[in-house]
Amino acid sequence: AQTVTQSQPEMSVQEAETVTLSCTYDTSESDYYLFWYKQPPSRQMILVIRQEAYKQQNATENRFSVNFQKAAKSFSLKISDSQLGDAAMYFCAYRPDSGSARQLTFGSGTQLTVLP
Amino acid sequence: NAGVTQTPKFQVLKTGQSMTLQCAQDMNHEYMSWYRQDPGMGLRLIHYSVGAGITDQGEVPNGYNVSRSTTEDFPLRLLSAAPSQTSVYFCASRPPGARGYTFGSGTRLTVV
Repeated sequence: AQTVTQSQPEMSVQEAETVTLSCTYDTSESDYYLFWYKQPPSRQMILVIRQEAYKQQNATENRFSVNFQKAAKSFSLKISDSQLGDAAMYFCAYRPDSGSARQLTFGSGTQLTVLP
Repeated sequence: NAGVTQTPKFQVLKTGQSMTLQCAQDMNHEYMSWYRQDPGMGLRLIHYSVGAGITDQGEVPNGYNVSRSTTEDFPLRLLSAAPSQTSVYFCASRPPGARGYTFGSGTRLTVV
């Protein structure tokens, strides 16, 4: 079974600074997707960024970028120029691209605080 | 286009009561899933469906039933509520081949 591990329950960053959230995963699959979801206090799950395992290039979405290390099974999220609105719980998630299920497996989350 | 709609948003049940959490999507997505979110544990898969008439169990299916009679609806039934089922429940959907899921806004359930 796949597992996703987020080893940082809480992180904090100063406004306008950069922060990196860590995620590791375990899988025997070769084709899969990785995601970062943001959950603000409103409880809504918001997709921040996704990475296809077959792509060597790291995904980027504005101030959000990932460092995808397939051999190390590592998928970290970097937030640049942090803003107060970035404060939220962040979840790393994995989804295989084969098999009948193809469902998401989530990490336990990292609570990010942005300090003014 | 409302996306994924979950009702109710909040619910309090007494131990032993049954109820149905509703989930509807208007995007013609074939894949639908139910997750529960507990503190410190992320989201865990309860049941999922890959199309009308097809359902399967996820990681934590005990105490829950689902059915998928239409593409749009995927209700989650609690047969006999227990305090351990106190949680936030999320429904999600996606079309085949799509990479990401669209989530509903969640239902906070408290069982006393």
